[in-house]
Amino acid sequence: QAVVTQEPSLTVSPGGTVTLTCDSSTGAVTSGHYPSWFQQKPGQAPRTLIYDTSKKYSWTPARFSGSLLGGKAALTLSGAQPEDEAEYYCLLSDSGGRVFGGGTKLTVL
Amino acid sequence: EAQLVESGGGLVKPGGSLRLSCAASGFTVSNAWVTWVRQAPGKGLEWVGRIRPKADGGTTDYAAPVKGRFTISRDDSENTVYLQMNSLKTEDTALYYCTTGASWGQGTLVTVSS
Repeated sequence: QAVVTQEPSLTVSPGGTVTLTCDSSTGAVTSGHYPSWFQQKPGQAPRTLIYDTSKKYSWTPARFSGSLLGGKAALTLSGAQPEDEAEYYCLLSDSGGRVFGGGTKLTVL
Repeated sequence: EAQLVESGGGLVKPGGSLRLSCAASGFTVSNAWVTWVRQAPGKGLEWVGRIRPKADGGTTDYAAPVKGRFTISRDDSENTVYLQMNSLKTEDTALYYCTTGASWGQGTLVTVSS
């Protein structure tokens, strides 16, 4: 089973841009890993922001975008807002199942 | 609007069993991929397993830590997906969520302790 690695923590200034990444121990992340991204705030259930690398739901703020970057999946937040402070998790397809990354705690400060 | 409501959590002794339910409304579970995800206290998300739509064979996949102990099933008449958990271990203690990807329930807490 793959180990999926994310930055443990990142800080972004209000209005700034930050990129979170998602790496797989088995090699480069591709669209075939169907990367998804989730936001979770304290005491709340997760919310899906991005699926299939870059697809958004109707509730996904336009400032969030998903991509592949340098062999990793990436979630870019452009124009950070205070309400974006949260834990972010990626999920990759692996060997007939899925594996979550350890999560990135994003601070907007 | 699609909604999911989990239930069935509680306190169980190591080696015991528990069945969680994920009741759906606003959509038909037989047409959806439904996944179980858990989160141990203070920890990250862990993928547990999933069941495919009927049209895709309705088969299941499981994460290594639960394979052979957990079983996901579906009752189309109840529009509900189940997670049968056997041979429970203390490390199975977690908040268990069901999700279609787009929709998430609020979770049900399972505590495995003697």
